[in-house]
Amino acid sequence: GEEVAQTPKHLVRGEGQKAKLYCAPIKGHSYVFWYQQVLKNEFKFLISFQNENVFDETGMPKERFSAKCLPNSPCSLEIQATKLEDSAVYFCASSQGTGVNEQFFGPGTRLTVL
Amino acid sequence: GESVGLHLPTLSVQEGDNSIINCAYSNSASDYFIWYKQESGKGPQFIIDIRSNMDKRQGQRVTVLLNKTVKHLSLQIAATQPGDSAVYFCAVGEDNYGQNFVFGPGTRLSVLP
Repeated sequence: GEEVAQTPKHLVRGEGQKAKLYCAPIKGHSYVFWYQQVLKNEFKFLISFQNENVFDETGMPKERFSAKCLPNSPCSLEIQATKLEDSAVYFCASSQGTGVNEQFFGPGTRLTVL
Repeated sequence: GESVGLHLPTLSVQEGDNSIINCAYSNSASDYFIWYKQESGKGPQFIIDIRSNMDKRQGQRVTVLLNKTVKHLSLQIAATQPGDSAVYFCAVGEDNYGQNFVFGPGTRLSVLP
């Protein structure tokens, strides 16, 4: 598609439950990035993929967070055993190259952990 | 590591006036700077970028100024319009690769009629 699509738009989970977020990059884009936006609008880089391969995962929390980009499927970000502090908007971006200025962002998924 | 901050969390301007949004950074090795616009319910949208070898760059109604001496970055919007109402934030990195970028906290610009 011509836009980055993210589903669901909103996700509510009880503490300890699993959350799974999806991202469909723009067709033809090789790179996918996940960001976490918490209160006060601060963005945190989580992980990036080049096609189905992890490109950089230096921002991913060591526990509970995982992500995949499989061929012919939306990319996914999964949080096991969610905690209150995981409440945030999670943005996906895609690009043809690795440049930050090339990234197109999706509308985000708002995760609320109760 | 890099830290990025903005001077004002909110800014209100009259329609037609110029807006100036500021950003401060800490890492003198920072080489690449981006301004984003984020409208309510949407993802960030790239506005303009600048490299450290430049002091000023202009786009359509926007100008970015970079003062490396004091590690300060500003976004100027000329003749602010209602459609400019959004959160603006800067992102700073040592290069144009996202992994090392640090995003600032954002300034909410409100345009008054």
